[in-house]
Amino acid sequence: GNSVTQMEGPVTLSEEAFLTINCTYTATGYPSLFWYVQYPGEGLQLLLKATKADDKGSNKGFEATYRKETTSFHLEKGSVQVSDSAVYFCALMPYNFNKFYFGSGTKLNVKP
Amino acid sequence: DSGVTQTPKHLITATGQRVTLRCSPRSGDLSVYWYQQSLDQGLQFLIQYYNGEERAKGNILERFSAQQFPDLHSELNLSSLELGDSALYFCASSVQGAGSEQYFGPGTRLTVT
Repeated sequence: GNSVTQMEGPVTLSEEAFLTINCTYTATGYPSLFWYVQYPGEGLQLLLKATKADDKGSNKGFEATYRKETTSFHLEKGSVQVSDSAVYFCALMPYNFNKFYFGSGTKLNVKP
Repeated sequence: DSGVTQTPKHLITATGQRVTLRCSPRSGDLSVYWYQQSLDQGLQFLIQYYNGEERAKGNILERFSAQQFPDLHSELNLSSLELGDSALYFCASSVQGAGSEQYFGPGTRLTVT
């Protein structure tokens, strides 16, 4: 079956620290992988995506690389800001199928 | 602003009642998705419509139903409401099928008392 596992939060970092949020997946076939971010009181926004193995998605200083051999799509950012405080969701969409499978979300708190 | 609109923003109702949530997709998007977000269950996919037809079903209860109209807006109907139905309900839209990212609306917060 299809599923996504994310590291449990909350993750608390100081401003300018390095961020890694782990995400691993189980899927049949070759899914597309996504990271979404949810700021307080808002809906989910697409942060980045990758559609095939070894693709790297990047946006706003965040990066994630689609690793088929380790079935992972870890989110990284070199220097976090207070404004990055939010909940981050890893998700997969199976090939040729519209349904998203979301991870449980990881809350990030960045302190000044 | 994702371009997806949802109304109402907040809804408070009593157990046993019925409510309708409305979603307008981004201009040009044919697919609409409904999700439920609760503290204990996380973000769960409920149902998808594409150009008026049901396309995929997730963890949607029999008390819940949805439809997509010719103008592509969608409604999610929740009936015989229970306390456990209290959650954020999100609508998302996408242009088409596999691999397309989804754009989420701001959500409707439903509180059942």
